[in-house]
Amino acid sequence: GAGVSQSPRYKVAKRGQDVALRCDPISGHVSLFWYQQALGQGPEFLTYFQNEAQLDKSGLPSDRFFAERPEGSVSTLKIQRTQQEDSAVYLCASSSRNLPYEQYFGPGTRLTVT
Amino acid sequence: AQSVTQLDSHVSVSEGTPVLLRCNYSSSYSPSLFWYVQHPNKGLQLLLKYTSAATLVKGINGFEAEFKKSETSFHLTKPSAHMSDAAEYFCVVSGDSGYALNFGKGTSLLVTP
Repeated sequence: GAGVSQSPRYKVAKRGQDVALRCDPISGHVSLFWYQQALGQGPEFLTYFQNEAQLDKSGLPSDRFFAERPEGSVSTLKIQRTQQEDSAVYLCASSSRNLPYEQYFGPGTRLTVT
Repeated sequence: AQSVTQLDSHVSVSEGTPVLLRCNYSSSYSPSLFWYVQHPNKGLQLLLKYTSAATLVKGINGFEAEFKKSETSFHLTKPSAHMSDAAEYFCVVSGDSGYALNFGKGTSLLVTP
């Protein structure tokens, strides 16, 4: 079946612009995660949804970062007033309720802030 | 807090020779441990997972890993490297939260002909 998809795959933004990154999880997966992967580093947890509820946003680096999943399926990560340090690959993952650690990742969105 | 340390940032092997990617973990309880692989411009793929069953875990593409509690290690091995194994490998431990994953910094595997 279809895996996790993300769009756009690449995004270039000028500093100060707002961006929105989309994630389509695997159908039926109630859990959805966002991670940030800086160049040469491992991914770092940003936020977690179970269905439409955002249960953990402790990894969001600032209040410029906002995530939503209004209908419990597609999720959007929004970054306001982008800064150069926001340049990274943003990864989305989903998992089933019973196996939260068995996460399936999308290809990521590479964000470059100029 | 749960964390992992990948002991090598780069590993180079010849095609057909064994692969060893080293990982040590730190955990206050028996963790779940994983290895993920990331090929260029592709998503992370789960290679294998340890969740307190058998200590020797077999994964996809001939990879396996052994959980050694006494050494707090979870090294990834493969008997014979293939060119297609060249990629970035991440050792991952389950976090305190019950759902978030804590990734190591990654090991870049180069396979030479």
